[in-house]
Amino acid sequence: DTEVTQTPKHLVMGMTNKKSLKCEQHMGHRAMYWYKQKAKKPPELMFVYSYEKLSINESVPSRFSPECPNSSLLNLHLHALQPEDSALYLCASSLSGGETQYFGPGTRLLVL
Amino acid sequence: QQQVKQSPQSLIVQKGGISIINCAYENTAFDYFPWYQQFPGKGPALLIAIRPDVSEKKEGRFTISFNKSAKQFSLHIMDSQPGDSATYFCAARFTGNNRKLIWGLGTSLAVNP
Repeated sequence: DTEVTQTPKHLVMGMTNKKSLKCEQHMGHRAMYWYKQKAKKPPELMFVYSYEKLSINESVPSRFSPECPNSSLLNLHLHALQPEDSALYLCASSLSGGETQYFGPGTRLLVL
Repeated sequence: QQQVKQSPQSLIVQKGGISIINCAYENTAFDYFPWYQQFPGKGPALLIAIRPDVSEKKEGRFTISFNKSAKQFSLHIMDSQPGDSATYFCAARFTGNNRKLIWGLGTSLAVNP
C-alpha cells in the first residue's frame, strides 16, 4: 500500500471559520509533510514531522497549526485564514531520512 | 533565489517525439535529484530519480541524464504519448539533517495526438 489519503477533497471556508485537514498513511513512514501549492507553481514546504515531532516549520503563519497525533496521521488546523491562503494543500510521507516522498491527492481549499 | 532552474516553462511535442526538460542547480550540497509528474487535480508522483554518482538512469521511456561537473540534469521522455501530458517538476534534496527538497518551477508538457 503506497497510498497517502487526504480529506476532505475540497473545502470552502470563511475567514472566521475553523476547519481541519486530515492526512493518513499506512506505509510505516515516520516523516510526514505539509505543502501548499498555488496554481502552476511547485509545492511549497510548510511543515515536516519526523517521528511525530515537528522538525521543520518554514515560517508559516500561526493561523496554520499542524498536529501529528500518531505515526499514521497528520492534521492541519486552519483558523482565520485569508483569501490568499486559497490553494491546494498536499500531504506527503517518506521513510525517515528516505528519499522518496509520496504525495496525497491534496485538499483544494477556497477561502472566501 | 531559485536554486534549481528548470526549462522550458512549457513544451509541446507531437506523439512519438522526444520531450526534453532541463534543470540546473547551484548548490553542491544536493545528494538526490527526483523528477515528479503531476496531473491536474492530483498530487505529484515520483517519476524517476538519480544520485550524483550516476550519469544516466533509464526506466522505460523515461531517462535522466546527469552532468555533475556542469551541475545540470535533464529528463528525456522517448516516444511521448498524449497520456504524458502533465506538469513535470525537477527537484534536488539537501544533504544533512534538513533533507529539504528544492523544486524547479515546473514544465507543462502537452503531447499532441
